Amino acid sequence: EAQVTQNPRYLITVTGKKLTVTCSQNMNHEYMSWYRQDPGLGLRQIYYSMNVEVTDKGDVPEGYKVSRKEKRNFPLILESPSPNQTSLYFCASSPGEGLAGYEQYFGPGTRLTVT
Amino acid sequence: AQSVTQPDIHITVSEGASLELRCNYSYGATPYLFWYVQSPGQGLQLLLKYFSGDTLVQGIKGFEAEFKRSQSSFNLRKPSVHWSDAAEYFCAVGRRMDSSYKLIFGSGTRLLVRP
Repeated sequence: EAQVTQNPRYLITVTGKKLTVTCSQNMNHEYMSWYRQDPGLGLRQIYYSMNVEVTDKGDVPEGYKVSRKEKRNFPLILESPSPNQTSLYFCASSPGEGLAGYEQYFGPGTRLTVT
Repeated sequence: AQSVTQPDIHITVSEGASLELRCNYSYGATPYLFWYVQSPGQGLQLLLKYFSGDTLVQGIKGFEAEFKRSQSSFNLRKPSVHWSDAAEYFCAVGRRMDSSYKLIFGSGTRLLVRP
């Protein structure tokens, strides 16, 4: 089954404790992206990647890092989480060619709470 | 700057009734437009998309949307709502920025369905 998977689905952590949220897709997609969803704000892009070793900042990159060492994986790293990073996080992927690049497949989400 | 407005935070309809969810966008060029649905605890699923051509587009689950350039709108409709349609709905505009297939989301409309 074609899908985007994220782990963990739920995470409660404390301020300053480094964490990684994994994202993996099995559709051989070139393009991957991370979003955060906050009430009343919709989804906002954190980082994106056009291909292996190619990443760039989205609208709200502060406090986050990403890496793309393999085509299928795109982990989101919070080196020193803070309470304002409490949010629902989504990973997405798309073929990344022409208009199909906009047709993004989303993972199930990771709900992160930072205390 | 591009933006997407969904003026209704919540909408409640009776099962079997018709539905229209509003979406207005601000974008200079011809927009690429999308509707996504987010069921409780799930990721976002693409309902339908508009790139060009026929301004009335059909999607999955019996949904349709009409692009009206004069009104900068892309409203989502369904003639008869089912209880399983209860979810949150997001309108989005797609724009190529640098190398990103950027989706700009509205803040969402939560649909409640009365039995």
